[in-house]
Amino acid sequence: QLQLQESGSGLVKPSQTLSLTCVVSGGSVDSGSYSWGWIRQPPGKGLEWIGYIYQTGTTHYNPSLRTRVTISIGRSRNQFSLKLASVTAADTAVYFCARGGVRRGGDFDYWGRGTLVTVAS
Amino acid sequence: QSVLTQPPSVSGAPGQKVTISCTGSSSNIGAGYDVHWYQQLPGTAPKLLIYDNDIRAAGVPARFAGSKSGTSASLAITGLRAEDETDYYCQSYDNRLSGYVVFGGGTKVTVL
Repeated sequence: QLQLQESGSGLVKPSQTLSLTCVVSGGSVDSGSYSWGWIRQPPGKGLEWIGYIYQTGTTHYNPSLRTRVTISIGRSRNQFSLKLASVTAADTAVYFCARGGVRRGGDFDYWGRGTLVTVAS
Repeated sequence: QSVLTQPPSVSGAPGQKVTISCTGSSSNIGAGYDVHWYQQLPGTAPKLLIYDNDIRAAGVPARFAGSKSGTSASLAITGLRAEDETDYYCQSYDNRLSGYVVFGGGTKVTVL
């Protein structure tokens, strides 16, 4: 059974960089059949797609976040990571990692439990 | 303002049918991109319910059915049960800019 687990700093100061990692177990990020993505949810609000990465290293980001986002893949540890620069209070959210399909617009079938990141001084 | 529009809430009595709409445009649902539906219980991650418009994910009861027509999609829940009371989100893809994944704003289902 595939499992994903987010980890990283739960409190980030304004203007700094948010960093999260998603460890994948029961499957491999090297699979060419999937993408590996990040989605976030501000408290009490809806879901927002951040971006995803393919096994090849190709990335696809939300245009509204593109200038601040970097998603990378770490094969040696079967994980992928998110960095979001220059954060503000508006970036406070629960951040989920998830497995997506290989085609754009595919569904996300496995999700991590999510981790709350608060941006505050 | 979400690219995909969902009603904020729908309600129904136990055993009844409710339908959640997901309205898009010619750059997303109307362009032929598939629609997927998720159920999110409080404090948990979204769970895939329906993918590719009308295919139930593994283990999802037949009470949940998805459909798509034109620039809209719908999720129907028949035989409404107390445990169905939670939030539901639709998801698709929009081909504007360089293309991006879009979610609806979410719908809260209340069982009366």
